[in-house]
Order: sequence, then C-alpha cells, then structure tokens
Amino acid sequence: NAGVTQTPKFQVLKTGQSMTLQCAQDMNHEYMSWYRQDPGMGLRLIHYSVGAGITDQGEVPNGYNVSRSTTEDFPLRLLSAAPSQTSVYFCASSYSLAGGEQYFGPGTRLTVT
Amino acid sequence: ELKVEQNPLFLSMQEEKNYTIYCNYSTTSDRLYWYRQDPGKSLESLFVLLSNGAVKQEGRLMASLDTKARLSTLHITAAVHDLSATYFCAVDRNTNAGKSTFGDGTTLTVKP
Repeated sequence: NAGVTQTPKFQVLKTGQSMTLQCAQDMNHEYMSWYRQDPGMGLRLIHYSVGAGITDQGEVPNGYNVSRSTTEDFPLRLLSAAPSQTSVYFCASSYSLAGGEQYFGPGTRLTVT
Repeated sequence: ELKVEQNPLFLSMQEEKNYTIYCNYSTTSDRLYWYRQDPGKSLESLFVLLSNGAVKQEGRLMASLDTKARLSTLHITAAVHDLSATYFCAVDRNTNAGKSTFGDGTTLTVKP
C-alpha cells in the first residue's frame, strides 16, 4: 500500500492565484482531513470528510474548499491565495473502528508571495 | 471549544535521563493520540488511548490517560538520541475520528 499520498511536495504561488492540493489514500479509510502546520505550532484542522459526498468545516476553513467524490481522493482548493496561507499542508486519513489514529501524507510546503 | 495544552514546549535532556511530557485538554473526549514528527517530515502515530486508565508502552516511551483529570502523559525512560523529535498529543472532538485538535507540540532534544 502507498498509504496517503500528496502532490505537489512544494509549490510557490503569487497572491490571488488558485490551485488544488491533491490527496489520495489506498487504505479504504472513511475519514479524511486536511490540516495546516505553521512554524512552531501544532496542526489546525481546515476541512474533513466522513465519507464520499460528505464534508464539513474545521477550525480554519476560510479561503479553502474541498470535495470528496470518491473514498480515495480528497483535494483541497485554494480559491485566491494569500500570504497568510503560506504553510505546510498535511492530508490524513483514518478508520474509526480501528482506534481512529490518523495516517498522514508527506505534506505540501506552500509559499504565497 | 476544545483546547489542548502541552508542556513543556521545549525539552533538552541528557541521555539516560527520564522525563515526562504532559498533555491537558479542556473538554470530555474519548480518544487521545500521541504522534511523533521528525524535522521536515510528516507525523507518525505512536499511541492511541481510548479509555480512562489506559497505558501503552513502546520501547522507552510510555503513554497514559486519565480522563477524569483530562490529562495524558508521555514518559520517556533512559532517553537516547534517536528519541529527539517533536511530540504532539491530539484529542478527537465528539469522538469523531478525523477531527483532532492538536497541542502545540513538545520539541525534545536528547544530548549525549
């Protein structure tokens, strides 16, 4: 199993540009989440999904959209990038019946200039 | 609003010494997790604690959970350099997996 994969690994955007961060998992996990990690801080939840077709907002959802059309994929869209969105983004998946710990992707390091 | 506080945030230890990292959380929750993050890397799961009094051990690390005190501890025994990393505790909101609230992390440096 590849686990949780994310693309791209690095991205530089100009203010106002839009882009999509890709996330996929091959473990048939029902739950998927997006977090951002800023320097010296823990992870903050952006959006999460409890299954295909079901998404909800987390702690810091403004400026981001998600959709989940399949169990495997959970892309994160930045609508109009701002310097405040410079961060490392982690996608994670989990299976509640197995204890619920999350499996994290390798992360995407995003810089907005 | 669920809040998770870890202390200390930075910990410098000598090898072979013991120490404890504390994780307090503000509201009732059924699940608590400990993760490890190496510099520039992703997070990996260390422990899942699901009930009051739960204790898990792996090598030199032992985690425990007291749900009445809303406190979890991560105890390090006889630290070695390989344990240098940032350790996060995380708590699930409303018992829903995938909605974890994380502490700010404890950066552990083990010196010879």
